[in-house]
Amino acid sequence: SQQGEEDPQALSIQEGENATMNCSYKTSINNLQWYRQNSGRGLVHLILIRSNEREKHSGRLRVTLDTSKKSSSLLITASRAADTASYFCATGDIQGAQKLVFGQGTRLTINP
Amino acid sequence: KAGVTQTPRYLIKTRGQQVTLSCSPISGHRSVSWYQQTPGQGLQFLFEYFSETQRNKGNFPGRFSGRQFSNSRSEMNVSTLELGDSALYLCASSLGLVIQETQYFGPGTRLLVL
Repeated sequence: SQQGEEDPQALSIQEGENATMNCSYKTSINNLQWYRQNSGRGLVHLILIRSNEREKHSGRLRVTLDTSKKSSSLLITASRAADTASYFCATGDIQGAQKLVFGQGTRLTINP
Repeated sequence: KAGVTQTPRYLIKTRGQQVTLSCSPISGHRSVSWYQQTPGQGLQFLFEYFSETQRNKGNFPGRFSGRQFSNSRSEMNVSTLELGDSALYLCASSLGLVIQETQYFGPGTRLLVL
């Protein structure tokens, strides 16, 4: 079963606007990661936020984590056409194991 | 450094056949994980190998197996293929020293079972 659930499933915005995607998960975590996937290719790691962190920035990306609500959000500012992709959150439970559990993803379309 | 490579990139098989997929991790990475991606089930963890040993396993039938060689390259095998095995198979490598660390993914092998 999926650990993370992204919301919305699909998002379409105009170039230059901000895009926000949300992720909810079920169990205690060590960290939460966001990945991007272009058109059925491999996933690219975007950012990792640890369970004791509340916010993290990387370029135009801003990730927040609320462990009390078991949720995270990914904000992409000043979107570009090249940001068109599917975005996934991934978690692993606090018991360990190397595996990541991915949500179903948010399909983001940036319209020129 | 060269990224994760997977071969072949595309594969067409028929039901009942078996298939072997290959993954070469980033140099220095000792952990290789395999994932199956389908439109219906999304990304699902198959198994992880570290130093030639299977360290973690997902909930897939025994038809799915894997191995890792001393140079960290990994192969996964699917026997007695079913139509539902059609998917994008992704491998990911990491140093393997920290749990749930950043994974570096290859481009995937797209398998179509007819």
